[in-house]
Formats: sequence, structure tokens, C-alpha cells
Amino acid sequence: QQQVRQSPQSLTVWEGGTTVLTCSYEDSTFNYFPWYQQFPGEGPALLISILSVSDKKEDGRFTTFFNKREKKLSLHIIDSQPGDSATYFCAARDQGGRALIFGTGTTVSVSP
Amino acid sequence: EAAVTQSPRNKVAVTGGKVTLSCNQTNNHNNMYWYRQDTGHGLRLIHYSYGAGSTEKGDIPDGYKASRPSQENFSLILELATPSQTSVYFCASGDENTLYFGAGTRLSVL
Repeated sequence: QQQVRQSPQSLTVWEGGTTVLTCSYEDSTFNYFPWYQQFPGEGPALLISILSVSDKKEDGRFTTFFNKREKKLSLHIIDSQPGDSATYFCAARDQGGRALIFGTGTTVSVSP
Repeated sequence: EAAVTQSPRNKVAVTGGKVTLSCNQTNNHNNMYWYRQDTGHGLRLIHYSYGAGSTEKGDIPDGYKASRPSQENFSLILELATPSQTSVYFCASGDENTLYFGAGTRLSVL
């Protein structure tokens, strides 16, 4: 069973628009939530992360929000650029976790 | 200079054959991981290691073995490859919060 659920599977946005990706999880022991960005032919790379003690983290055009009560997180990309076209994975880890658990990924296409 | 290097980058194997995927890291991380990536499943953990000589089962270990002979090297072994193991395999090294991935190995089992 998928412990970290991610939606949508894919989406297309216009250049300059805002991209919104969402994830949900069940395990309340999860306390660390990174987002990874993957370009075609490459491995994923850490984009931004948030701890469960926070509800928002911002890094340039990328912001991640965390809602502990609803067990949901989201990634917002403002002023989306064609160079943002990639697959984005949310992930989770618990306090004693051995490894990150990844969502199924969202493929984003930004059209000029 | 890539800190996590996987080889080969592409591999075609026959059903029932033995396949070894290799990974080398220069990050000096204790932890190393093997994931496979499939559409609709994301990245799934196969095996991981806390250091030289240690290997642990991940979420989908069946049909795979792992070997960690040194801090730098971590191999994934398919003793009897099956078509269901056709996938893209990623090795990663990291600390508890950040993983550094290699570029992946695309494996096709015919």
C-alpha cells in the first residue's frame, strides 16, 4: 500500500502561472517531508524540505506547506518557468526512520 | 564530478540470467540505498546499508540481494532476473535527511 499519496499524476501549466502539487500520508509518526525534483535522464535531487514543527517553508519561487491536522503537504511553484518542467516527488520519514518513503510523483510541464 | 556513480547506465539481460548493478559514492556517507522507479509507483526501496558489511531489506527486497564491501561501494544483485524486474534503478547515498542520487541504470529483462 502506498504510504505517501501524491496528486495529480501529471499537469501542464502556462509559463508564469502557479503550479500546485499535493501529497497526503497516514502515518502520524512522519516528521520530515522533503520534495525532490527529477529531470529526464537524471536522478532526483532535493528541492526543498519541511519539518512537522513548521507549516511553511519558502525558497525562492518554491514554497512547501504542511498541515499536520489533515496530514497533507503541498508544493507551490510561482512564476513557473519552462526549466521547472520535471517530475516532482514528495517523501516522508519518521523519527526513527531508516529511509525516505516516496510518493508516486507528479510530472509537470510548463508551456511557454 | 558526480558524487554517486552507477554502472552500467543501460543493461539488457535475459530471463534467468544474473545481473549486478554497481554504485560508487565519494560523499563518505555511511548510508546507501537502492530504489527502483516505475510509473505509477514512484521510487520504491529495495535494499539499504548503514555501512560496510551491512545490508538491510527495504520494502520490496524479493528477488534482489545487496552487497556493501566498502564504504564507497554498494551493489544490487539479481541472481535470476525476471521481466518484472525491468525498471530504472537508482542508487543513493545520504544522511538521515538528504539523499544524493546517481543518474540511474535502465535495466531491461527480456
